[in-house]
Amino acid sequence: EVQLVESGGGLVKPGGSLRLSCAASGFTFSDAWMSWVRQAPGKGLEWVGHIRSKAYGGTTDYAAPVKGRFTISRDDSENTLYLQMNSLKTEDTAVYYCSWEYNNWFDPWGQGTLVTVSS
Amino acid sequence: QSALTQPPSASGSPGQSVTISCTGTSSDVGGYNYVSWYQQHPGKAPKLMIYEVTKRPSGVPDRFSGSKSGNTASLTVSGLQAGDEADYYCSSYAGSTSYVFGTGTKVTVL
Repeated sequence: EVQLVESGGGLVKPGGSLRLSCAASGFTFSDAWMSWVRQAPGKGLEWVGHIRSKAYGGTTDYAAPVKGRFTISRDDSENTLYLQMNSLKTEDTAVYYCSWEYNNWFDPWGQGTLVTVSS
Repeated sequence: QSALTQPPSASGSPGQSVTISCTGTSSDVGGYNYVSWYQQHPGKAPKLMIYEVTKRPSGVPDRFSGSKSGNTASLTVSGLQAGDEADYYCSSYAGSTSYVFGTGTKVTVL
């Protein structure tokens, strides 16, 4: 069974940093393109960014609101995806989901981890 | 990149059908056959219901169907059931290796 489990969320002050993790199992993680998607409280879904598999260079792309502040990385030996978030703003408050980006759709999704940016 | 436009709400009685629209531009919905739909129950993660405009993943009932015309995609839920009550989001590839989601539609089963 394909499973994604996020962790690392919590309360952080504006300007602070946080690193989220997403542990993957049940599929060949090293071949997968992976995405992060977030959802602010009571709001809709927003694509954050993705990382390609090493076979495609392991390169990353980001949505405009997080570009330059967030960094996606992966450890294929540990089947783990990361999201490093720096210079956090109150508007980054959201549940962050990781997902397998399979041919331009997202399936499955993890259960999400809540990040709250507040002083 | 602006969010795709969906109606805030839709409703129907059990057994009836409801159709949700998802309007974008020629740079996203209209430009690619990479529209997908997700169901999200309160407090839960989204679940893929439709991909590549019309295709259903294994395990998704054939009561769920998708279509597209120009810059607007649609999701139809036929034979509404109580368990279909949820938020629904569309998504489209938007070029330049980016994605855009819809604003979301809350479906209520009356």
